[in-house]
Amino acid sequence: RKEVEQDPGPFNVPEGATVAFNCTYSNSASQSFFWYRQDCRKEPKLLMSVYSSGNEDGRFTAQLNRASQYISLLIRDSKLSDSATYLCVVTSLYNTDKLIFGTGTRLQVFP
Amino acid sequence: DVKVTQSSRYLVKRTGEKVFLECVQDMDHENMFWYRQDPGLGLRLIYFSYDVKMKEKGDIPEGYSVSREKKERFSLILESASTNQTSMYLCASSLDIGGARVEAFFGQGTRLTVV
Repeated sequence: RKEVEQDPGPFNVPEGATVAFNCTYSNSASQSFFWYRQDCRKEPKLLMSVYSSGNEDGRFTAQLNRASQYISLLIRDSKLSDSATYLCVVTSLYNTDKLIFGTGTRLQVFP
Repeated sequence: DVKVTQSSRYLVKRTGEKVFLECVQDMDHENMFWYRQDPGLGLRLIYFSYDVKMKEKGDIPEGYSVSREKKERFSLILESASTNQTSMYLCASSLDIGGARVEAFFGQGTRLTVV
């Protein structure tokens, strides 16, 4: 089983829609969680960290469910510019310097 | 702004060649990483370094080695390039604050083709 699993998509949604991605992780003792965004042919960039209590940044909401071992990303009022691949990232149990990436979920927002 | 710079955007090398990929960061970060990214497989960690001259194997170190002689520079070496090492290579760096994980900054990537 992969340490971090994501639905690769693509998720095709119209502008203004709400879309949610989930990501499951296998190691119950993982400590830190993040969502990164990667545009086509570009490097990944941090979108937001995921805190235990959940956190929001504008149209983006991230949540952590430790009991079920998943994190989620909710995007409200989707914009064309949200089209990208969203990467779920957790830290390794054995070495907190090591980031483990999911394969990414591709989002395509259409007019 | 943090800057992570990789020496080349595109490289074409022949099978059996020794290949050097260079990465430099300008923010005095302790941690540096080399990943490769392939369709359907995502980013896979090759090696990382948490200090000068220190290195640890990632998930797929076979066929690769690394060098970190200075804090700002982390080099990935393909000892004898093979066609299955054709990939996008991404370097990253991050600050280490008491073991807490903070943001990783990536270089623009090097697309390596081995023929």
